Amino acid sequence: DVKVTQSSRYLVKRTGEKVFLECVQDMDHENMFWYRQDPGLGLRLIYFSYDVKMKEKGDIPEGYSVSREKKERFSLILESASTNQTSMYLCASSFDSGYEQFFGPGTRLTVL
Amino acid sequence: TQLLEQSPQFLSIQEGENLTVYCNSSSVFSSLQWYRQEPGEGPVLLVTVVTGGEVKKLKRLTFQFGDARKDSSLHITAAQPGDTGLYLCAGAHAGNNRKLIWGLGTSLAVNP
Repeated sequence: DVKVTQSSRYLVKRTGEKVFLECVQDMDHENMFWYRQDPGLGLRLIYFSYDVKMKEKGDIPEGYSVSREKKERFSLILESASTNQTSMYLCASSFDSGYEQFFGPGTRLTVL
Repeated sequence: TQLLEQSPQFLSIQEGENLTVYCNSSSVFSSLQWYRQEPGEGPVLLVTVVTGGEVKKLKRLTFQFGDARKDSSLHITAAQPGDTGLYLCAGAHAGNNRKLIWGLGTSLAVNP
């Protein structure tokens, strides 16, 4: 079974802190994605990566950056956390474009 | 711009009832996926439909892709409390399928 793991289930940070969210997949998938999910707004794509060291902006990249140094690992970075970045963050991976996405359990981030 | 409209947004029914949720768009998709998300977890794929008019069954769940590949429906027969969750549809465009287009979801509560 594909497994996507995220470094934390719950995280509380203060405004202005640098925040790292880590995601690891174990199925050698090419594509990895970072989403945030908010009530009434659905899943919104922040960034995705289709190969190591390759990244592409999603729909809401402002305030975020990403890193993919190894195929299995995709990191989301909040350079200076703000309260409007309080959200559920979901990582996903897929074998190829347009294919099924496998999701991690999510990280609920609260920025105070 | 929300390209995939899901309806209804919320649905609360009694155990044993039947229900249908809809996923509509003005765009043509090369494939459409349905996911279910339980509270505190990431979405999990239920089915992918790729051919116009296609019908797929998963136990008590029946999925249909519209003839023109612009819409889809999910019908649940004799709903059970275990069907409770958020149902999400996501479409892939033939020309640019690196990203999935997500609907906002239908939140279903099945009461015993």
